[in-house]
Amino acid sequence: DARVTQTPRHKVTEMGQEVTMRCQPILGHNTVFWYRQTMMQGLELLAYFRNRAPLDDSGMPKDRFSAEMPDATLATLKIQPSEPRDSAVYFCASGFRADTEAFFGQGTRLTVV
Amino acid sequence: GENVEQHPSTLSVQEGDSAVIKCTYSDSASNYFPWYKQELGKRPQLIIDIRSNVGEKKDQRIAVTLNKTAKHFSLHITETQPEDSAVYFCAAGNAGNMLTFGGGTRLMVKP
Repeated sequence: DARVTQTPRHKVTEMGQEVTMRCQPILGHNTVFWYRQTMMQGLELLAYFRNRAPLDDSGMPKDRFSAEMPDATLATLKIQPSEPRDSAVYFCASGFRADTEAFFGQGTRLTVV
Repeated sequence: GENVEQHPSTLSVQEGDSAVIKCTYSDSASNYFPWYKQELGKRPQLIIDIRSNVGEKKDQRIAVTLNKTAKHFSLHITETQPEDSAVYFCAAGNAGNMLTFGGGTRLMVKP
């Protein structure tokens, strides 16, 4: 049963620290999304990759957030420095294309204190 | 870019009643409209989707309708059950563009 894997599942960090979240998309999927969710509603798109190339990261605060795909099996989302307002659940999703089913990972619950 | 509006934000129904959630989109190039269900503490999962060459699609108690002219689509759940309680998201996109989600609807089915 192929699944999108995200690590860590939970992260508590102090304000100002760097946070790195990782995502392993389903093998063969060439589309990867990063979403942020607060208060159990609202999936805010942060970044979108196709064939490892970033196509849209307009929803991401550029001064502190960065997203990369070093290879086809790994996507990363970094926050440096982290702030309390970054506390949320960060989901990674992958699919064959943007017009096919997006499979979500379990999410990383980030708490910045 | 695409903008997806979803209503209502919360919906409470009695078990056995029907529930309807509505979404509008802005980009006429969007041709793929999925619906996701997210249970508490879980990941969103696809429950049904529809493409722009189809006006309606059904899967047991769930149906989705699409009006391309008006740029809106709806999710219909009949004979609701307590296990239908969750947050539902609509989305719109196409092969060359990203998938944009609506703000979500919290559905509560009262026994």
